[in-house]
Order: sequence, then structure tokens, then C-alpha cells
Amino acid sequence: SAVISQKPSRDICQRGTSLTIQCQVDSQVTMMFWYRQQPGQSLTLIATANQGSEATYESGFVIDKFPISRPNLTFSTLTVSNMSPEDSSIYLCSVPNLSTDTQYFGPGTRLTVL
Amino acid sequence: GQQLNQSPQSMFIQEGEDVSMNCTSSSIFNTWLWYKQDPGEGPVLLIALYKAGELTSNGRLTAQFGITRKDSFLNISASIPSDVGIYFCAGQLTGGFKTIFGAGTRLFVKA
Repeated sequence: SAVISQKPSRDICQRGTSLTIQCQVDSQVTMMFWYRQQPGQSLTLIATANQGSEATYESGFVIDKFPISRPNLTFSTLTVSNMSPEDSSIYLCSVPNLSTDTQYFGPGTRLTVL
Repeated sequence: GQQLNQSPQSMFIQEGEDVSMNCTSSSIFNTWLWYKQDPGEGPVLLIALYKAGELTSNGRLTAQFGITRKDSFLNISASIPSDVGIYFCAGQLTGGFKTIFGAGTRLFVKA
């Protein structure tokens, strides 16, 4: 199994600022995924991050708002830019579990925007 | 787009009771998954279903992949307090890890 850590675990931010969330995996993976979980809601895929190429964003998410870096096979960052209260969510990264075709999830970053 | 309808939204049960939750979709999926999310944690896979009609157990948990490939249910028998959490169904198409999640069922177990 993969062990995934995220930093920070939670943060409270002011409107208009930006926050960068880090995701670290204990093994090399080609794909990493970023999800948003709004309060009381399900998980929605933001983007898929492959090392060495631009992230692929899902409908409704854009690079200017959620820039992603993927500098190597064990690390990725997601930035939430120019935040508003509507961005208050849990942000989760995940990686594929190739033996089951499912995903391992990180513990999430709980973001509150005031 | 593809959507999963998960029900019930929440359940309040007594310890020892059995629980059933289900998921339906207007789209066909090739894989159905059930995850559990504890407070402050990411979802953890409980059961993965790969074939229509498949019935799979994991301890006190049993899940089935509907014959039409548009639905799945999860049963928990003899619930215990640590079963508390949010249970998500998820559908996946072949050829990638793109996963659609249901809205979740919040389970509360009273000791």
C-alpha cells in the first residue's frame, strides 16, 4: 500500500490570499489526483497530475485558480488561488492502487476561508 | 455528466443492527467501489466489485454489483460503534482511474 501525507492538515485563510497544499507519497507513482470535498458533499476530481507534463483539469476547474506542480514522482502541490469563502473545503490527493484499479487517499487538508 | 444517487443520506442505528445502503446510476460502470471516510481522514477502500452480479464480502461487510451495472448495495451486519463514518459508493470506467463518487451515507451508531 502507499502512504500519503499532506501539509498542512488544516488552515484558516483570509479572502484573496492563496494557499499551497503539499502531497507526498512514499513510493514513485505516475499519476496523482487532486480532489475537492465541499462541506457535507462528495469528492469531486479537480485534476490529474502526471510528472513531466501539464495537469489535466476537469470541467469547472481551471489552472489559474488551481495551479498544480508535479516536480517528481513522489510529490505534488495544489495551490488554491485568490481564495473566497466558497473555496472552504477538504482538499485530498490520491494515487492509483494498480493491483486493484482503485485509489489510495491522503488524509486531506481542511481549508477554511474567512 | 455521470452521477451516482446514493441513499440514504444518513442513518442512525443501534449497535448490533444491520445496515443497508445503495447506489444507483443512469450510466453503466465497469467497476463499483465502496469507501469509508473517518473524521479527519481520507477515504479508505472497503470493497471493490469488478463483474456484474458479483457479491463480495469483507468481514461484516457485503457488497453486490448489480446485474445491469447501474447499481450496487453495501450491507453491514451487526454494527459496532467504530462503523461510524461516511460511506461512499463510487463508479469507475475501464481504462483509467477516473472515479465518480456518490454523495455519501453518514452512519451513526449508538452504543
